[in-house]
Amino acid sequence: EAGVAQSPRYKIIEKRQSVAFWCNPISGHATLYWYQQILGQGPKLLIQFQNNGVVDDSQLPKDRFSAERLKGVDSTLKIQPAKLEDSAVYLCASSPQTGPGGLHAFFGQGTRLTVV
Amino acid sequence: AQTVTQSQPEMSVQEAETVTLSCTYDTSESNYYLFWYKQPPSRQMILVIRQEAYKQQNATENRFSVNFQKAAKSFSLKISDSQLGDTAMYFCARMDSSYKLIFGSGTRLLVRP
Repeated sequence: EAGVAQSPRYKIIEKRQSVAFWCNPISGHATLYWYQQILGQGPKLLIQFQNNGVVDDSQLPKDRFSAERLKGVDSTLKIQPAKLEDSAVYLCASSPQTGPGGLHAFFGQGTRLTVV
Repeated sequence: AQTVTQSQPEMSVQEAETVTLSCTYDTSESNYYLFWYKQPPSRQMILVIRQEAYKQQNATENRFSVNFQKAAKSFSLKISDSQLGDTAMYFCARMDSSYKLIFGSGTRLLVRP
């Protein structure tokens, strides 16, 4: 079974530039998550999709971050314009829905973003 | 706020010994899932163990076991016979009925040879 694919693995941009991250979840997984993980901290949930609908985006800085999930499969996360504090690892995860509780989430390898 | 708390930023254990990592959480739901994830330096998050809240029996996976105290909202991870490869960040996480998955701040575990 193929895992969660993310690209790019690394990205360095200057502040005020824009950047986009791509995620391809495991086939058939209805739930897709984007997390921001700042060095030394736990992952912070930015947005959760169920199929192509948004379930939770309460911690997404909507003035600069946007995300979409195309046809309930692939997803992109965009930052425009980037700030220095956006430097972090961006993790994508997916989870199946098989009844109460979703078993668990499968994670990609993440994208390390450095804003200079 | 629905939170997950890990009060031990760092832990250290001698190889072959046993270590316990602590986690407490907050929820208003009666049915949910709890997880321990491991994140090595490669940063790929890997599931260690999972516990369904409606099950009273504590989950075990080889050298890993949990102590789930539902009333106290406590979920600790015990690693027996610690190995050098267990060195990593460990995150406690909770998934609710809407599949929302929230993580704690993590515990850095160092296994000493």
